[in-house]
Amino acid sequence: DAGVTQSPTHLIKTRGQQVTLRCSPKSGHDTVSWYQQALGQGPQFIFQYYEEEERQRGNFPDRFSGHQFPNYSSELNVNALLLGDSALYLCASSPEQGNEQFFGPGTRLTVL
Amino acid sequence: GENVEQHPSTLSVQEGDSAVIKCTYSDSASNYFPWYKQELGKRPQLIIDIRSNVGEKKDQRIAVTLNKTAKHFSLHITETQPEDSAVYFCAASTNFGNEKLTFGTGTRLTIIP
Repeated sequence: DAGVTQSPTHLIKTRGQQVTLRCSPKSGHDTVSWYQQALGQGPQFIFQYYEEEERQRGNFPDRFSGHQFPNYSSELNVNALLLGDSALYLCASSPEQGNEQFFGPGTRLTVL
Repeated sequence: GENVEQHPSTLSVQEGDSAVIKCTYSDSASNYFPWYKQELGKRPQLIIDIRSNVGEKKDQRIAVTLNKTAKHFSLHITETQPEDSAVYFCAASTNFGNEKLTFGTGTRLTIIP
């Protein structure tokens, strides 16, 4: 079992560009959540996907959007990048009837 | 929405001593409280969790206590070891973790050999 995987590991973009981050959940997990972790802070919830639908959303602007595929993998898209979007983006997966959210290694996004 | 406060922000203890990290939450509907350990450059790893129908849970050197009335929960690490050095985050969630986790601001724990 590979656990939760994310790609890419690092990414450098410039302001105004768009980015897509990818996540594959742990085997047997069907729910995927995305979090943004700024340096020195706790993760902040972006949104959660279940059955290919956005089930819950945090306080992030519409520039942040996502998708879940039939195989439960997920993408996070960020448009019109700002310097403040520089952070570690974490994906977490969980089973529908479970409690624990297991995190992937994250994608480090730097916006210049 | 939920707000989770965590104290202290930094904590240094001698190897072998105990460490305690405290969190408070605001939403009385929260019923699931996990603790994550994050080493530098690594992913957050779940180390222990507790549901609101339980007052205390222990796993070897780690224990968590929950006071629903006061809306606070604590992480206790006994017989600390150098490998316990990391940033620890508490979190709270409703629906027993099937919804978003609201995290505290983290505690940087340093174990002094």
